[in-house]
Amino acid sequence: DAKTTQPTSMDCAEGRAANLPCNHSTISGNEYVYWYRQIHSQGPQYIIHGLKNNETNEMASLIITEDRKSSTLILPHATLRDTAVYYCIVRVHYGQNFVFGPGTRLSVLP
Amino acid sequence: DAGVTQSPTHLIKTRGQQVTLRCSPKSGHDTVSWYQQALGQGPQFIFQYYEEEERQRGNFPDRFSGHQFPNYSSELNVNALLLGDSALYLCASSIRQTGALYEQYFGPGTRLTVT
Repeated sequence: DAKTTQPTSMDCAEGRAANLPCNHSTISGNEYVYWYRQIHSQGPQYIIHGLKNNETNEMASLIITEDRKSSTLILPHATLRDTAVYYCIVRVHYGQNFVFGPGTRLSVLP
Repeated sequence: DAGVTQSPTHLIKTRGQQVTLRCSPKSGHDTVSWYQQALGQGPQFIFQYYEEEERQRGNFPDRFSGHQFPNYSSELNVNALLLGDSALYLCASSIRQTGALYEQYFGPGTRLTVT
């Protein structure tokens, strides 16, 4: 079973920041938080990952709470092309498979 | 640089038949994982191949088997197809190196329909 809990769906206005929460209260010290997204009929796309520090790349920012029991993916200026299912996954070091939950369906509205 | 490629894109098979799906990993990647994604659900891990051997396996029956070739490409074989095997089959590649952490890159998938 997935080790994360995410809202089933969320809406966001185009141009606004999209904040997608994820709960991972049973995360272990050696587990990373990964975010992927899946646009309709495509394979999942890697967004970002982190261990305990906040991370930022060209796509998004990842904010991990100090106790590491939850995190938030932030898309700073959502566009219609960001409409997708977003998956939050916790995983140990390389070699381990990803356990996907149902994810959050984000709809960016014009 | 080509990413992960999969073939065919779509496939229709009859119950009881056998099917082979193919995957070429991203350049420089040596590990291939396969996932099954039923409609409306997240991908489910089938197995992972590295150095031409199955290294990890999810909760799938023996009807699901695979192979990895010396050039790191991989095949997924499913025997005795059931209606419930209808799904999007995803291949993901990654690099397996000591001390490093690498994300998996996914291909576009093969849509299998069993009638």
